[in-house]
Amino acid sequence: QLQLQESGPGLVKPSETLSLTCTVSGGSIATDNYYWGWIRQPPGKGLEWIGSMYYSGSTYYDPSLKSRATMSVDTARNQFSLRLRSVTAADTAVYFCARHLFYYDRNWFDPWGQGTLVTVSS
Amino acid sequence: SYELTQSLSVAVGLGQTARITCGGNEIGSKNVQWFQQRSGQAPILVIYRDSVRPSGIPERFSGSNSGNTATLTISGVQGGDEADYYCQVWDRDTARVVFGGGTKLTVL
Repeated sequence: QLQLQESGPGLVKPSETLSLTCTVSGGSIATDNYYWGWIRQPPGKGLEWIGSMYYSGSTYYDPSLKSRATMSVDTARNQFSLRLRSVTAADTAVYFCARHLFYYDRNWFDPWGQGTLVTVSS
Repeated sequence: SYELTQSLSVAVGLGQTARITCGGNEIGSKNVQWFQQRSGQAPILVIYRDSVRPSGIPERFSGSNSGNTATLTISGVQGGDEADYYCQVWDRDTARVVFGGGTKLTVL
């Protein structure tokens, strides 16, 4: 059974860089037609897609975050990562990683990690 | 940019049928997914490609999509169905994932 687990600092200072890693177990990150995505949820608000990455390096980012977000994949460790630069309080959220099926008309997230809360504060 | 509109909340009695809608311009031409998020938990996929249930999702959950509205229907609502529900599509024009704002289902 595929499982995903987010890890990283729970507190980041304003203007610094948020860095998170998602470790995939129970399956390979290098699987055809599956991207690996990041979604966040500010406290009390809805879901916001950040971006998704293929193991070969192809990426899609939400235009609103594209200038600050960078995703990477480490196939040897079966992990993928997110870096978000120049954070502000508005970036405070629970960050989820998820497997993203992205193939022709198939486009959905399943399963998801449990999520990790990142607070931006000095 | 493409937007999905959901009602903030829906309330139904135990055992009744809940209908949660997701509005978007010509959403019927897109594949719609639905996620259930119980309080404090990660979302789980309950419907994909408009009306397909993943393995393990009860038959009480069904979906439809036509015109400018997609609908998630939950029959025989149970207390455990109380959660936030989000719709999701892929907007090909802007190459981005779009989520609806979410609907809170309350079971009375």
